[in-house]
Amino acid sequence: DIVMTQSPDSLAVSLGERATINCKSGQSVLYSSNNESYLAWYQQKPGQPPKLLIYWASTRQFGVPDRFSGSGSGTDFTLTITSLQAEDVAVYYCQQYYSTPYTFGQGTKLEIK
Amino acid sequence: QVQLVQSGTEVKKPGASVKVSCKTAGYTFTTYGINWVRQAPGQGLEWMGWISAYNGHTIYAQKVQGRGTMTRDTSTSTVYMELRNLRSDDTAVYYCARDGINLGFDYWGQGILVTVSS
Repeated sequence: DIVMTQSPDSLAVSLGERATINCKSGQSVLYSSNNESYLAWYQQKPGQPPKLLIYWASTRQFGVPDRFSGSGSGTDFTLTITSLQAEDVAVYYCQQYYSTPYTFGQGTKLEIK
Repeated sequence: QVQLVQSGTEVKKPGASVKVSCKTAGYTFTTYGINWVRQAPGQGLEWMGWISAYNGHTIYAQKVQGRGTMTRDTSTSTVYMELRNLRSDDTAVYYCARDGINLGFDYWGQGILVTVSS
């Protein structure tokens, strides 16, 4: 199984500031045939299902604000939220969908400082 | 628009079985697979398995293998997951999520709380 490890476990950022969440996979999730990393980011607010933010490590799902961006390739990935808004308070998960069993990181809880 | 609507809350005793449903709408059912993901109270996300809506082929997580069965009904565009011999640590919210075909899990159901308690 591919182990996904996020850091930090929790994060407090002031409104309008930048939030950065890291995710590391235990093995590469880069698919050589299309040069895409099979890594997704999800946002989960209390009492709601997760919402897909980013796929292929850096492609924003339609409708996701452009303050959310993803970067990285292979085994190391980052989710960045520029200019944090109050509605961004949530738990964020990375996930690899390169191979089954698909696995998620443990989650990063983002709060307002 | 794409919708995944799940059945309601379940309360079961240890050793019982539960069958939860996920009715889809707003897209061609057989084009996309469905994943099941669960979340124990206050915990993270755990992938349980995937079913092809096209031919019913399944892939299960090792934890579910032998206790879980995923099926689909193309006439109603509904996917089902049955979990047998329930244990207290099966208590969780169970989500169905559409497989975006190499684009992550793009649409999710609202979740079903399954509580296993004597």
